[in-house]
Amino acid sequence: ETGVTQSPTHLIKTRGQQVTLRCSSQSGHNTVSWYQQALGQGPQFIFQYYREEENGRGNFPPRFSGLQFPNYSSELNVNALELDDSALYLCASSERGTPGGYTFGSGTRLTVV
Amino acid sequence: GEDVEQSLFLSVREGDSSVINCTYTDSSSTYLYWYKQEPGAGLQLLTYIFSNMDMKQDQRLTVLLNKKDKHLSLRIADTQTGDSAIYFCAPKAAGNKLTFGGGTRVLVKP
Repeated sequence: ETGVTQSPTHLIKTRGQQVTLRCSSQSGHNTVSWYQQALGQGPQFIFQYYREEENGRGNFPPRFSGLQFPNYSSELNVNALELDDSALYLCASSERGTPGGYTFGSGTRLTVV
Repeated sequence: GEDVEQSLFLSVREGDSSVINCTYTDSSSTYLYWYKQEPGAGLQLLTYIFSNMDMKQDQRLTVLLNKKDKHLSLRIADTQTGDSAIYFCAPKAAGNKLTFGGGTRVLVKP
């Protein structure tokens, strides 16, 4: 079985620009969650998608949005980038209703200059 | 919302046991997870415990849960240099989301 893959691995953007990050979930997993991990901190929950709909959101502004596709892959979009958006963005997939935890990808390192 | 606290740093000699502690606030947490993160990498699931259990052992890993005090610990037996990493405690509560602590950096000295 394949794990969670994220692309790109690294990205540099200018303040005010928009960015799209991509995630392919692990085979058999139907739920995708996105986390932001600032340097030296624990991951913070952005939102979760299940059956192509947002299913829970953390304390992030509306300029953070997402999509889930029928094959359970997902995108995270961030508009009007700010310097504080610089972080490691982690995607995690899981199978809803099972205790097995989330499988994380290696992340996308976003730097906003 | 849920708050999760962990100590920042732990130094241990190779071959000794490591104990990483975590406290949380949401008593409705159903499953509690431990993840490991190596430099520049994503998160690796190590183990988890269901909230109605007190202890779970998984090879070198032992998880202890004190639900009354909302305290979780991870013991690593015979700690190796490859265990040097950041360890995160992450309870799962309502909304099916994980809340992470700030992480404990473990340094294993030879």
